[in-house]
Amino acid sequence: QVQLQESGPGLVKPSQTLSLTCTVYGGSVTSGAYYWSWIRQHPGKGLEWIGYVYVSGSTFYNPSLKSRVTMSVDTSQNQFSLNLTSVTAADTAVYYCARPTEGLFDLWGRGTLVTVSS
Amino acid sequence: DIQMTQSPSSLSASVGDRVTITCRASQSINSYLNWYQQRPGKAPNLLIYAASSLQSGVPSRVSGSGSGTDFTLTISSLQPEDFATYYCQQSYSSPPTFGQGTKLEIK
Repeated sequence: QVQLQESGPGLVKPSQTLSLTCTVYGGSVTSGAYYWSWIRQHPGKGLEWIGYVYVSGSTFYNPSLKSRVTMSVDTSQNQFSLNLTSVTAADTAVYYCARPTEGLFDLWGRGTLVTVSS
Repeated sequence: DIQMTQSPSSLSASVGDRVTITCRASQSINSYLNWYQQRPGKAPNLLIYAASSLQSGVPSRVSGSGSGTDFTLTISSLQPEDFATYYCQQSYSSPPTFGQGTKLEIK
């Protein structure tokens, strides 16, 4: 079955860019509803949607993060990615990639903890 | 953004108990309400979608109801694996938003 796996640095310095990749295993990033998502969870806290990225290249971001977020899809690598610029300690969180289906999230990666610290 | 408020924030119960968790939306979301279970150190797992539809593989002791602004998640006859944190999420409008979570603990 389809599985998602996040990858990227676990430690990022303040003011730098957080970059994560989600690889789709057992399926194609171009299949299904053709869009993907990133969600994060601050330590011990709730869930925050970051944005959607469509295979076409269209994106929709959470207004609270829009100025710092970029998402993209690489069909040749069967991956999609997240870049978050100018990070601070407030961006320390577990980052999940997920598959949205009509607004709900029916498949999640295991998550990856990203710590922002010098 | 639509605000989702869950109650209670935490709940203690025993194996075999019946529990209900409530989720309230700041405006009507029709039936665009989903429930997730998250065990410690794991990703959330979809339990209920469209307020009352059971996701494949989820046991029938889990049920959801409601529409408009008020929703409930009920677990009848709690099992050890049910002790986790539960989140509601609205998919009515963007950005999708989640409740703050309800932690279900063993009494």
